[in-house]
Amino acid sequence: DIQMTQSPSSLSASVGDRVTITCRASQSISSSLNWYQQKPGKAPKLLIYGASSLQSGVPSRFSGSGSGTHFTLTISSLQPEDFATYYCQQSYSMPYTFGQGTKLEIK
Amino acid sequence: EVQLVQSGAEVKKPGESLKISCKGSGYSFTNYWIGWVRHMPGKGLEWMGIIYPGNSDTRYSPSFQGQVTISGDKSISTAYLQWSSLKASDTAMYYCARMYDRGVTRLDYWGQGTLVTVSS
Repeated sequence: DIQMTQSPSSLSASVGDRVTITCRASQSISSSLNWYQQKPGKAPKLLIYGASSLQSGVPSRFSGSGSGTHFTLTISSLQPEDFATYYCQQSYSMPYTFGQGTKLEIK
Repeated sequence: EVQLVQSGAEVKKPGESLKISCKGSGYSFTNYWIGWVRHMPGKGLEWMGIIYPGNSDTRYSPSFQGQVTISGDKSISTAYLQWSSLKASDTAMYYCARMYDRGVTRLDYWGQGTLVTVSS
């Protein structure tokens, strides 16, 4: 299985901050990388697919980049509704594994 | 509007069997894979497996192969996840999601989740 490792595991930030979350794959996955946001008690929500494509309806303050084994999710200016847990997922080869998650908390 | 509606919360005892469901609407159910994802308390998301309702082709993560069965009934646009003998460690929230596989594969629509609690 391809292992996905996110860093940091948790992060404290303030409204208006620029935040970056990193995801590394144990082998090259080209651009087959997705990002999801999950709020407590809710289902995950797709934010970014193909490493950098914004899912319809997702605010433009979210962006993704990377290819191969190193990927980043950036939130350009944190809003109160962005405090949640973020997961990366590779869709290069089955099983389509997730990272362990990054919990973004209010400072 | 694409929707996936899952069956309600379940409380079971160890050793009991269980089948939970995921009903799709608002799109051609037979033309998209449905995936199942486990979310254990305080843990991350785990990809369990997928089914293609059009022909019932099923793939499992090695971690879940033999532990659960994924099935479907295309006549009622419903996918299922079942256990023959539950364990306490099966306690988790289970999500179904539509897997969009044109271009980059991703889980674009999710069900609301089914909480399964296994306790004696």
